[in-house]
Amino acid sequence: DAKTTQPNSMESNEEEPVHLPCNHSTISGTDYIHWYRQLPSQGPEYVIHGLTSNVNNRMASLAIAEDRKSSTLILHRATLRDAAVYYCILRDATRAGNMLTFGGGTRLMVKP
Amino acid sequence: EPEVTQTPSHQVTQMGQEVILRCVPISNHLYFYWYRQILGQKVEFLVSFYNNEISEKSEIFDDQFSVERPDGSNFTLKIRSTKLEDSAMYFCASSGQLSGANVLTFGAGSRLTVL
Repeated sequence: DAKTTQPNSMESNEEEPVHLPCNHSTISGTDYIHWYRQLPSQGPEYVIHGLTSNVNNRMASLAIAEDRKSSTLILHRATLRDAAVYYCILRDATRAGNMLTFGGGTRLMVKP
Repeated sequence: EPEVTQTPSHQVTQMGQEVILRCVPISNHLYFYWYRQILGQKVEFLVSFYNNEISEKSEIFDDQFSVERPDGSNFTLKIRSTKLEDSAMYFCASSGQLSGANVLTFGAGSRLTVL
């Protein structure tokens, strides 16, 4: 799977929006962009995914650059519960194995 | 909301002992996975399983490891002879479709401590 690059850590204030960036300059046309997060002492949790268009769900929004070489996960109002490691992962739709490869992610700290 | 359940939540074992970690995936899911996370490190893929056979495995998943779906609901990971470096959180996951949009649902994990 193509590689992603994320900042190691970010800080946010509670109740403010958070924009988590991800660079994936080697993305291929069949790669979906997935975001997962891992709360402390828990398993990874699906957040959102997209292919080309921006996506919204109850947890977050995903903004995908027009050239698809970068994306941004947007948490509209950060809460203390959103403190977690956020992983940006590319998933090749043509790959048979179907597994996800996790990188180091971005550790989001939320200040009250 | 459907969830993946894992047992035990924590297991302590002596080096060289066999360990079986159990998972109950979401009932209508067809694809099953094991991942592990050594303390402070990345989440690492171990193996994926579909149609009663391994579809992919990583270099970590050597002959000491095996997976099985013994009945219609359980999915197990066996470590035949545990080593100190097997100490980690082990996460089971399942998914319902095979595509790039595939979404995995993870369990809360089983912590394995090898003494």
